[in-house]
Amino acid sequence: GDSVTQMEGPVTLSEEAFLTINCTYTATGYPSLFWYVQYPGEGLQLLLKATKADDKGSNKGFEATYRKETTSFHLEKGSVQVSDSAVYFCALSDILTGGGNKLTFGTGTQLKVEL
Amino acid sequence: KAGVTQTPRYLIKTRGQQVTLSCSPISGHRSVSWYQQTPGQGLQFLFEYFSETQRNKGNFPGRFSGRQFSNSRSEMNVSTLELGDSALYLCASSASTGIDEQYFGPGTRLTVT
Repeated sequence: GDSVTQMEGPVTLSEEAFLTINCTYTATGYPSLFWYVQYPGEGLQLLLKATKADDKGSNKGFEATYRKETTSFHLEKGSVQVSDSAVYFCALSDILTGGGNKLTFGTGTQLKVEL
Repeated sequence: KAGVTQTPRYLIKTRGQQVTLSCSPISGHRSVSWYQQTPGQGLQFLFEYFSETQRNKGNFPGRFSGRQFSNSRSEMNVSTLELGDSALYLCASSASTGIDEQYFGPGTRLTVT
């Protein structure tokens, strides 16, 4: 079945540091890929997405490129801020046999940014 | 446009009881999915409803059920609660025209004692 593997956290960075969170996936079809972010006490917010190979998703300074050859979708940001501290989830969505779709999530990576 | 709303936000129940959680999707969205989030198992898919029909189901026991109404609002029910059902239950809606991004509500935190 489908699965997503992302790097273990927590990741602690100083403000303005470069961020990379690794994500790789296994899927039988041609999934769409997503990054979601969860702030303490809240639900998930969609951060960015990519729907086909070589697509780059971007939002709020975060970027990720859909790499079919390496089955990866790594999240990057050039300069993190304290306000970026949260848990980041990589996810994939594939059309199911009966129609519709479901998200398969990685385990989440906690990011802590310090001054 | 209002986001996904879930009620109640917090619940405390006793083992053996049952519970009903409610989700109102974004206006115009016809698909509602439910996920369970726990520290041990992470985020797991429960089921998806579309046009009042359960379209997909995850690997959860029959104690977990749901339904969707004609206005797309959805409820999920857990009967005979167990301690392990303590979790954050997240509802997500999508327009569902194929693979579509899902928008999440704030969740209902269920504690079973």
